Amino acid sequence: GNSVTQMEGPVTLSEEAFLTINCTYTATGYPSLFWYVQYPGEGLQLLLKATKADDKGSNKGFEATYRKETTSFHLEKGSVQVSDSAVYFCALSKAAGNKLTFGGGTRVLVKP
Amino acid sequence: DAGVTQSPTHLIKTRGQQVTLRCSPISGHKSVSWYQQVLGQGPQFIFQYYEKEERGRGNFPDRFSARQFPNYSSELNVNALLLGDSALYLCASLGLAGGPLETQYFGPGTRLLVL
Repeated sequence: GNSVTQMEGPVTLSEEAFLTINCTYTATGYPSLFWYVQYPGEGLQLLLKATKADDKGSNKGFEATYRKETTSFHLEKGSVQVSDSAVYFCALSKAAGNKLTFGGGTRVLVKP
Repeated sequence: DAGVTQSPTHLIKTRGQQVTLRCSPISGHKSVSWYQQVLGQGPQFIFQYYEKEERGRGNFPDRFSARQFPNYSSELNVNALLLGDSALYLCASLGLAGGPLETQYFGPGTRLLVL
């Protein structure tokens, strides 16, 4: 079946540091890949997505590139802010029913 | 425009009781999905509905059921509650036919605690 594996947190960084969260997936064919962010006490917000190999999704300074050869979709941001503290989820969508398969989430804490 | 709305925001039940959670999708969206997020884990897919018909079901027992109404709002019902049903229940809506490339927009969730 489909699955998503992402690095365990928490990841603790200082403001303006570089952030990388690793995500790899298992799926047949060509899934669409997503990063969602969950701020404390809230639901999920779509951060970015990529729908085919070599696509780069970007939003709010975050980027991720769909790498088919390594089945990866790592999230990066060059300079994090305290407001980026949240839990980040990598997910894929493949089935016609459009269900999302999520990774376990990575908590990021950015300190001033 | 209003986003996805869910009610109630919080709920406390005891084991064996039944619960109904409600979701209203974004205006114009015809598909709704439900997810369960246990504390510290990623969301797990429960159901998807499109045009009032079930389009997908995750690996959940028959105690979980759902329906979609003509106005595209949806209810999730859970019978015979267990302690393990304590979780954040998320509803997501999709805009068009709900195909694999559609973006799902999530509501704030209903936090259910089963004692």
